Amino acid sequence: KAGVTQTPRYLIKTRGQQVTLSCSPISGHRSVSWYQQTPGQGLQFLFEYFSETQRNKGNFPGRFSGRQFSNSRSEMNVSTLELGDSALYLCASSLNRDRVDTQYFGPGTRLTVL
Amino acid sequence: AQSVTQLDSQVPVFEEAPVELRCNYSSSVSVYLFWYVQYPNQGLQLLLKYLSGSTLVKGINGFEAEFNKSQTSFHLRKPSVHISDTAEYFCAVRAQAGTALIFGKGTTLSVSS
Repeated sequence: KAGVTQTPRYLIKTRGQQVTLSCSPISGHRSVSWYQQTPGQGLQFLFEYFSETQRNKGNFPGRFSGRQFSNSRSEMNVSTLELGDSALYLCASSLNRDRVDTQYFGPGTRLTVL
Repeated sequence: AQSVTQLDSQVPVFEEAPVELRCNYSSSVSVYLFWYVQYPNQGLQLLLKYLSGSTLVKGINGFEAEFNKSQTSFHLRKPSVHISDTAEYFCAVRAQAGTALIFGKGTTLSVSS
């Protein structure tokens, strides 16, 4: 099976712009979670989508949003970019939402905000 | 709420030496525990997980971890490391269905010859 794919892999934006990142989960996986990874804060949970509905949300401002499509692919959007949004954004997919389900991670999108 | 503490931010070790990466967690409910590895410029890869049963869990690449409920620990071990094991290692917990993984801050393992 193909793994989790994320596009683009690298992105450079300037402050105030907005950005959309894409994630394709492993075939058959219905849950998609997004995480932000920075050197200072480590890995922080952004949100989780399941059956096209946001099921869980981390402690991030409303500038961070996402959605999931009927084929389980997911996108996250960050509006009005700030310098502090520079990070590696990781997407993870799992079969369902059971706590035994393993999350499989994609390679990430490296976002640099100038 | 759950939390994870990885006690060492960096662990330098020589090739073929044994290594232990320490992880302690805090939770008022039972948890599932995971170790992930991240190689430079890559995403996270699952090394092993503890769900239930035997407290000694074997994973990929020769790694193993032991769940100790009384000490609330889940330390990762490898008897003989290779240069290729150089990476960042993350311990994570998940308490309930539908909740996010809670990660520790990570431990950088540096293996030199």
